Amino acid sequence: GAVVSQHPSRVICKSGTSVKIECRSLDFQATTMFWYRQFPKQSLMLMATSNEGSKATYEQGVEKDKFLINHASLTLSTLTVTSAHPEDSSFYICSASRGQPNSPLHFGNGTRLTVT
Amino acid sequence: QKEVEQNSGPLSVPEGAIASLNCTYSDRGSQSFFWYRQYSGKSPELIMSIYSNGDKEDGRFTAQLNKASQYVSLLIRDSQPSDSATYLCAVNGGGSNYKLTFGKGTLLTVNP
Repeated sequence: GAVVSQHPSRVICKSGTSVKIECRSLDFQATTMFWYRQFPKQSLMLMATSNEGSKATYEQGVEKDKFLINHASLTLSTLTVTSAHPEDSSFYICSASRGQPNSPLHFGNGTRLTVT
Repeated sequence: QKEVEQNSGPLSVPEGAIASLNCTYSDRGSQSFFWYRQYSGKSPELIMSIYSNGDKEDGRFTAQLNKASQYVSLLIRDSQPSDSATYLCAVNGGGSNYKLTFGKGTLLTVNP
């Protein structure tokens, strides 16, 4: 099956610093990747759609200057949380599509971010 | 706006029973449907996909789709405590847009 690797799995950072999260598709090329955020006991919230070679599409209410997304290759998308604050502490999950019509999304293992 | 609705639960069933999870969607043009399982603190994992009306069985899991009623369900036979998780229904509108619309999930608890 498809494998999506996400790194790091857990990160603790100080308020004001930036954190980069990587998402890689290991056995397929992903023209489109998606970034989600999930707070405890809440549902998945789509943050943005990452498109290889073009700008990401952000969902309403998500600050594009705070959550920088780069999709420089067909197998790698990165999410950088800039100037992190405690309220950014959350579970960040990436997912990728094989790019075939009606194909499912495959999720990475997620990154638990704690901002102190 | 495309919507996917699930009963948030919690749904509690005894071990060995059948768990029935339901989902309705608003976009009549939706073409593909997925069930994901999410354990607490983990990311979602795909357990079933269904594309045409009727039933699709995979081990203890059966997905059912009724496009006329805009309804998709997941049955888990012989429920085990390890099935305790949140089950997410996801719908794809088709075409070149790979974005899935997720329901909020149903929390299932299987009691030993």
